[in-house]
Amino acid sequence: KAGVTQTPRYLIKTRGQQVTLSCSPISGHRSVSWYQQTPGQGLQFLFEYFSETQRNKGNFPGRFSGRQFSNSRSEMNVSTLELGDSALYLCASSWTGEQYNEQFFGPGTRLTVL
Amino acid sequence: DAKTTQPNSMESNEEEPVHLPCNHSTISGTDYIHWYRQLPSQGPEYVIHGLTSNVNNRMASLAIAEDRKSSTLILHRATLRDAAVYYCILGSTSGTYKYIFGTGTRLKVLA
Repeated sequence: KAGVTQTPRYLIKTRGQQVTLSCSPISGHRSVSWYQQTPGQGLQFLFEYFSETQRNKGNFPGRFSGRQFSNSRSEMNVSTLELGDSALYLCASSWTGEQYNEQFFGPGTRLTVL
Repeated sequence: DAKTTQPNSMESNEEEPVHLPCNHSTISGTDYIHWYRQLPSQGPEYVIHGLTSNVNNRMASLAIAEDRKSSTLILHRATLRDAAVYYCILGSTSGTYKYIFGTGTRLKVLA
């Protein structure tokens, strides 16, 4: 069965622009989580969606937002990009998002902000 | 939020067992302990998880201390393909549900 896919894999933007990243979870998975990975801060939780509702949110500014569609696909948006937003953005899916469920990660989208 | 502490790096010889420690002294009663690993240029992948009892699967074993304040991931026979960053994570439901990743341990496997 197909794994978690993320598009695009690489992206270059300039400061002040906005960006939208896409994540397609494993078929049947209803929970999608987003993470930011940087060399300095490591892997940090952004938010989690379940059945089109944001269920949990990490400590990120409001410039970071997301949504989930009825087919469980999810998008993440970052507005007014800053240099510090350069990172690997990872998406993970699981059946229900309960903490005993295994999470399956995608390969990530590498965002570079110039 | 409950946090984990891991050594920054460890080395192991190929085909020898590896014990990767994790401290989580502020763990709460309902927190699961998960281990994921991240190979170069890939997203993390699940290794194992447990709540109170020791767990085994085809990849590894998880030994959980009786007081649950620490755990150890055991790779029975390290291979070169096991070289990765290993993350010990608490699946916390206190406050909002989210995975809190620690700093991870970079495992180097020597041939």
